Amino acid sequence: GAVVSQHPSRVICKSGTSVKIECRSLDFQATTMFWYRQFPKQSLMLMATSNEGSKATYEQGVEKDKFLINHASLTLSTLTVTSAHPEDSSFYICSARDPSPGGNAAQETQYFGPGTRLLVL
Amino acid sequence: ILNVEQSPQSLHVQEGDSTNFTCSFPSSNFYALHWYRWETAKSPEALFVMTLNGDEKKKGRISATLNTKEGYSYLYIKGSQPEDSATYLCAFGGGTSYGKLTFGQGTILTVHP
Repeated sequence: GAVVSQHPSRVICKSGTSVKIECRSLDFQATTMFWYRQFPKQSLMLMATSNEGSKATYEQGVEKDKFLINHASLTLSTLTVTSAHPEDSSFYICSARDPSPGGNAAQETQYFGPGTRLLVL
Repeated sequence: ILNVEQSPQSLHVQEGDSTNFTCSFPSSNFYALHWYRWETAKSPEALFVMTLNGDEKKKGRISATLNTKEGYSYLYIKGSQPEDSATYLCAFGGGTSYGKLTFGQGTILTVHP
């Protein structure tokens, strides 16, 4: 149980184009999904928290107009990198939380997708 | 900015060796400490969620301890096997409403046959 898929696994695009990454929870409903980015030799850095049916909450320094997040259903969140540039090349990975009623959010397991490697030429 | 540090950055051991590594995190506003195992080209796999000072959790040959007062957690692997080779991540969960986690850089473990 608790499987999260992410698509595509790898994408190469030209500078100036937009790229959409999908994150799906396959066997549970995820009211909250998280988007992370990882640069080489660095830790997973949270970009934004996505809640179903509401606007995403972005971390400081992450441009919300550049990284559009949509969480239209309980099983799907998308991240669109708009007008991608070479400096956006990175590893993007999502996670989803399966909330338990009355539970503490920080104590609930996040289930991760396998990630997307983005290369912008 | 929360500081979550893992050491060592990488570790090479022989099959059968026991090993351990450390995660240090803020001792204030603590709600949880998560451990994940991340094999190349796969999704990070949740190992433990630790919440109480003095917690000790075990999953097969892997175990973890937690000291929230001094802000550290140890992960132990007994009798390492080549299939234990992976990056081990810890993540600190503070008191936020959505449960966001702050990750360490990870410890890369390589177990040689």
